[in-house]
Amino acid sequence: AAGVIQSPRHLIKEKRETATLKCYPIPRHDTVYWYQQGPGQDPQFLISFYEKMQSDKGSIPDRFSAQQFSDYHSELNMSSLELGDSALYFCASSRPSGRYNEQFFGPGTRLTVL
Amino acid sequence: SQQGEEDPQALSIQEGENATMNCSYKTSINNLQWYRQNSGRGLVHLILIRSNEREKHSGRLRVTLDTSKKSSSLLITASRAADTASYFCATDAGSYIPTFGRGTSLIVHP
Repeated sequence: AAGVIQSPRHLIKEKRETATLKCYPIPRHDTVYWYQQGPGQDPQFLISFYEKMQSDKGSIPDRFSAQQFSDYHSELNMSSLELGDSALYFCASSRPSGRYNEQFFGPGTRLTVL
Repeated sequence: SQQGEEDPQALSIQEGENATMNCSYKTSINNLQWYRQNSGRGLVHLILIRSNEREKHSGRLRVTLDTSKKSSSLLITASRAADTASYFCATDAGSYIPTFGRGTSLIVHP
């Protein structure tokens, strides 16, 4: 079965550079969630999109922005990168079936900021 | 503050033993989910239990939910070395956005 695809899987950037992470949800899933997981930390919710509109916002820094496109894929744009942005970034998607939605997570993008 | 807090933070057992992990949360929830994460890898969904359910089974996994105590437990029976991973509970407190706890690191020795 198709799973959530994230690209790239690994990314190395310098401080103050920008990065774009991509997420391709499972077909027919209309909701996308982004999470950040620092070393040894639990995943922290950043932002979510439902039907291409931002639906919820968590602890996403102002330096980050995201959007969901007409084909439901999503991109997380990160600017002015800081050392503390080094983390695993997960994308998850869920079906359009109301509140009891199981989230399916992608393999993550490991971002290292040097 | 954390919505879900797992207990214990680390658990080390022998293969064949049972492993029990607990999760406590603070506010009313719609559902609670358990996830597994191998080191540095993605999160794998294990079980979703709804607020009106008390127990759920999936293979060697058994999840209970006590909404009066705001707690859940994940029991892995007859553990295997391949069960070694971190286990997270995630709750949604009305926003349908799962909030993760700190996780329990489980090590199963062969």
